Amino acid sequence: SQKIEQNSEALNIQEGKTATLTCNYTNYSPAYLQWYRQDPGRGPVFLLLIRENEKEKRKERLKVTFDTTLKQSLFHITASQPADSATYLCALDPNYGGSQGNLIFGKGTKLSVKP
Amino acid sequence: EPEVTQTPSHQVTQMGQEVILHCVPISNHLYFYWYRQILGQKVEFLVSFYNNEISEKSEIFDDQFSVERPDGSNFTLKIRSTKLEDSAMYFCACRERTSTDTQYFGPGTRLTVL
Repeated sequence: SQKIEQNSEALNIQEGKTATLTCNYTNYSPAYLQWYRQDPGRGPVFLLLIRENEKEKRKERLKVTFDTTLKQSLFHITASQPADSATYLCALDPNYGGSQGNLIFGKGTKLSVKP
Repeated sequence: EPEVTQTPSHQVTQMGQEVILHCVPISNHLYFYWYRQILGQKVEFLVSFYNNEISEKSEIFDDQFSVERPDGSNFTLKIRSTKLEDSAMYFCACRERTSTDTQYFGPGTRLTVL
C-alpha cells in the first residue's frame, strides 16, 4: 500500500541545536516533495520544495535533502529557536508529472524548542 | 503577501443539515483545492478544481460533497447531509499555475457536527 510516514510524532530539542525531521514514503515515485509548517488551529504554510533530481535545498536556516533510492527526505533546522516550535508536515504529489498538484501529507512531527 | 480567506472560522451544525463553507482564493490563481484535517490526524486531500470543473477527487469526496466557483472570486464546499464524522478542520488552498508552484492554504473552517 502507499504510505508517507514521519517517524517521530514529537521532537524536543534545546535552543541553538539542529533539529532533524524524517519523512519516508512507500510505493510512490514523486517528482518532488514539499515541507510545510503548521501552527495549532492554522493552515499549513509552505516552506520548501525539492525535486527528484535535487539532492539538497536550502533556505536561510532550513535545509532539505531528498534521496529517491532510500525514498526519504530529511528536513533540518539549524540554530533552532523557540519560535520554530510547530508541527512540520511533509507532502508529495502522488501523480508523477501530473498537473493537478493535489498533495498527500504525512501526519507531521511536532517540534518543541526549549529555551 | 496575498492570502486565502475562509468563512466562517467555526461552524456548528446538527447531523443531517447542509453546510456550505466559503473560500476566497488568491485572485490570479488557477487551481483550487479542499483538504480536511480531523483533530489529531493528517491533512487529507478532498478535491481539486480547475477550469470550472473537478479535476480530481479522493474517496472521501462522495456524493454528499460538492464544490462550486459561483463567481470569479468565491470557491465553496457544500456538504449536503452532515454526519458526525464530518467534524474536522476544512482548508481551502490554491496555486497559481504549475504543479510545483506554492500551494497557499487558508486559515480553515472548523466544522462541528452534533
